[in-house]
Amino acid sequence: DTGVSQNPRHKITKRGQNVTFRCDPISEHNRLYWYRQTLGQGPEFLTYFQNEAQLEKSRLLSDRFSAERPKGSFSTLEIQRTEQGDSAMYLCASSLAGQGGNEQFFGPGTRLTVL
Amino acid sequence: RKEVEQDPGPFNVPEGATVAFNCTYSNSASQSFFWYRQDCRKEPKLLMSVYSSGNEDGRFTAQLNRASQYISLLIRDSKLSDSATYLCVVNIELTGGGNKLTFGTGTQLKVEL
Repeated sequence: DTGVSQNPRHKITKRGQNVTFRCDPISEHNRLYWYRQTLGQGPEFLTYFQNEAQLEKSRLLSDRFSAERPKGSFSTLEIQRTEQGDSAMYLCASSLAGQGGNEQFFGPGTRLTVL
Repeated sequence: RKEVEQDPGPFNVPEGATVAFNCTYSNSASQSFFWYRQDCRKEPKLLMSVYSSGNEDGRFTAQLNRASQYISLLIRDSKLSDSATYLCVVNIELTGGGNKLTFGTGTQLKVEL
């Protein structure tokens, strides 16, 4: 499978715990995005990387959230001290600058449930 | 006010019907426009881009009116397999050339026998 992959696909955690999600973009895609989707809503932009540089962060991304893309390939999204309001689907997308109108390809998502 | 507004539906239509979805956006700086399709518990997938001149892809026709900040999607001869949520999306270019996609809440379509 040469698409965007995300792990784990599901995560159940207790309030106050830390969680980390991983995204592997399509090979050679230099842009990587994180979005969050809650039930009945469309995805909301969280952050964006070009190669290893984090160039944009939404104000939705509180201090408890941190994202990295250390080698410009895979990315991790960590949530510290999870709250019930963090329960959502976390989607990763990647794109290649200048190709196909910069179409973003989405991964299957990690569904987080905070108890 | 949400940046991208859509009627959430659901739209329940018989197979073969024509159905139209509408969307409005508030940010006049939006640069490009799309319709995405999302099946239940799956990731969104690009259905088509939307241009001011209007564009067609098989049974699907999309239209953009920049002056009114209005986007539409028309599905003709609907199939059972068209049942999904249709997300109206606007794009703003970010630092470094990346793209911030802003999604509407989606319109749910159910095509029935």
